[in-house]
Amino acid sequence: DQQVKQNSPSLSVQEGRISILNCDYTNSMFDYFLWYKKYPAEGPTFLISISSIKDKNEDGRFTVFLNKSAKHLSLHIVPSQPGDSAVYFCAASARGGTASKLTFGTGTRLQVTL
Amino acid sequence: KAGVTQTPRYLIKTRGQQVTLSCSPISGHRSVSWYQQTPGQGLQFLFEYFSETQRNKGNFPGRFSGRQFSNSRSEMNVSTLELGDSALYLCASFGSPGRANTGELFFGEGSRLTVL
Repeated sequence: DQQVKQNSPSLSVQEGRISILNCDYTNSMFDYFLWYKKYPAEGPTFLISISSIKDKNEDGRFTVFLNKSAKHLSLHIVPSQPGDSAVYFCAASARGGTASKLTFGTGTRLQVTL
Repeated sequence: KAGVTQTPRYLIKTRGQQVTLSCSPISGHRSVSWYQQTPGQGLQFLFEYFSETQRNKGNFPGRFSGRQFSNSRSEMNVSTLELGDSALYLCASFGSPGRANTGELFFGEGSRLTVL
């Protein structure tokens, strides 16, 4: 039972354009959502998070949007850069806004082309 | 600040054997979590330790176990290995469980286990 789903296993975007990565969840108890980026042979690194009391959080080129009614969140990267090429994982927690016991999606591989 | 250190980075075992993986969290971090990453399954939560106590446990069989020492270092053990246990095992630490906005789990590079 995949409670966090990333239905696009891969995405290719041109440098300078917007990258939009999507994530859906089924567990209404989730109250904290996070995005992680992973390069090959490295551990995931934290990108950005959003609490369920918000619908948008922005950090530089990265913006996360949360639509609670649709149980959907998305990560926007503007502008996309070649260094953004990596696997992006969406994660969720039902632990009162902490990173405890995260449920991860299966990841989306983003390739930013020149 | 030194990152999360996992050893060994790579190992090969055969079915039926057991394996122990080690994780040293970032200095000062008292919470350690373990995740299993397999192709098509993403990262799946194994367990979380804080101050030598297991706080949360994922849906894995009893063959998977772990512990945390007084210096916050953690080990996980898998007994009676099966082919399906082949995966990247990731350890992560964070500073203060219970604080809001503690999304910054710091992950190690992982231990890649291959079971033949």
